[in-house]
Amino acid sequence: SSELTQDPAVSVALGQTVRITCQGDSLRSYYASWYQQKPGQAPVVVIYDKDNRPSGIPDRFSGSRSGNTASLTITGAQAEDEADYYCNSRDSSGNHVVFGGGTKLSVL
Amino acid sequence: EVQLVQSGTEVKKPGESLKISCKGSGYSLTTYWIAWVRQMPGKGLESMGIIYPSDSDTTYSPSFQGQVTISADKSISTAYLQWSSLKASDTAIYYCARKTPSDVFDIWGQGTMVTVSS
Repeated sequence: SSELTQDPAVSVALGQTVRITCQGDSLRSYYASWYQQKPGQAPVVVIYDKDNRPSGIPDRFSGSRSGNTASLTITGAQAEDEADYYCNSRDSSGNHVVFGGGTKLSVL
Repeated sequence: EVQLVQSGTEVKKPGESLKISCKGSGYSLTTYWIAWVRQMPGKGLESMGIIYPSDSDTTYSPSFQGQVTISADKSISTAYLQWSSLKASDTAIYYCARKTPSDVFDIWGQGTMVTVSS
């Protein structure tokens, strides 16, 4: 099991707001990054260093952290946001980078 | 354009050896770490280890220590992942990714599918 815990599946109605969370003790010390992976494609970073977006990522994607929980929020979810989302950060030892188990987002 | 280009699909038998590659372009491979990530069929992402091509400093994730070898040839901007004796459980897609100092995997290769079957 991963040291970063994510809900396996989340759903959101089209145009509504959804929050995807990632829990782990290491998140009290390290920021999480968030990756979007669509079927048959390589992952793409959508949020890094808590709340920075790479160029080309829509501003409906945002990140935050509270205690041991990092969150990815999509404000006004679109059909094209349906994908698997993964967080990553350091493990509890701080020596290795690990991924959360992933969250499958369905846009209804 | 900054990109990582990986070698092609592999089909191997159990017990065979394999070395797959990841070639960087558009930036100096010696200035960033390269990570290898496994994705087994229908499963999530697993970080296998990282290498700094400038001096080949390598760190393996505990689950992969002793199971694979990560190496690099900075003269040709290429990182490698190799197995000495493949198992069926090594069947997966393997991605390389560029890792920033803050642990962001910002550029990904297209993935190499490895199938191990008798």
